[in-house]
Amino acid sequence: KNQVEQSPQSLIILEGKNCTLQCNYTVSPFSNLRWYKQDTGRGPVSLTIMTFSENTKSNGRYTATLDADTKQSSLHITASQLSDSASYICVVSAVNYGQNFVFGPGTRLSVLP
Amino acid sequence: DGGITQSPKYLFRKEGQNVTLSCEQNLNHDAMYWYRQDPGQGLRLIYYSQIVNDFQKGDIAEGYSVSREKKESFPLTVTSAQKNPTAFYLCASTRTGRAFFGQGTRLTVV
Repeated sequence: KNQVEQSPQSLIILEGKNCTLQCNYTVSPFSNLRWYKQDTGRGPVSLTIMTFSENTKSNGRYTATLDADTKQSSLHITASQLSDSASYICVVSAVNYGQNFVFGPGTRLSVLP
Repeated sequence: DGGITQSPKYLFRKEGQNVTLSCEQNLNHDAMYWYRQDPGQGLRLIYYSQIVNDFQKGDIAEGYSVSREKKESFPLTVTSAQKNPTAFYLCASTRTGRAFFGQGTRLTVV
């Protein structure tokens, strides 16, 4: 069964600190993996996309890594800001017709001053 | 993400009533999806449509219905058969592996 797991479920850090969110998946055949940021009451917004051949990709203070062998990804946030408080969702796309997106449950990040 | 419009942003429904949530996209995407999100939980797929006049049930389709008469529109009807409809509903469209989301509709049963 195609599944995406994320950890931790929630995380609280102080402003300016770094943090890393984890994503494990069993989706096959793998197409790509995206990290989304979802502010409360809003739709998710894409942060990064990674394909099978990519190991790391950065978007400002966000850096995503992908290990296709172990089927793990991480999202590292550097020098956190209060505006980083949100849910971060890992979404894995499978190469097939039909429902081809599998969503993780998300990690709720709270950045405190 | 731009290009997908959901309306209304907030919706209140009395028990026993059907309500329809609107989702419109101008991105020329073939595939559209409806997800439900409950507090502290991930997104769960209700229905999806890969092409016009075709749609498939997702993981939690019971109590919901959809139509796809136009490429741009994918309305979701929450019927009285849905026993726990209070939730945040997200519409998405996809092309080449990326999902674009609307801003969501928060439905509350009163």
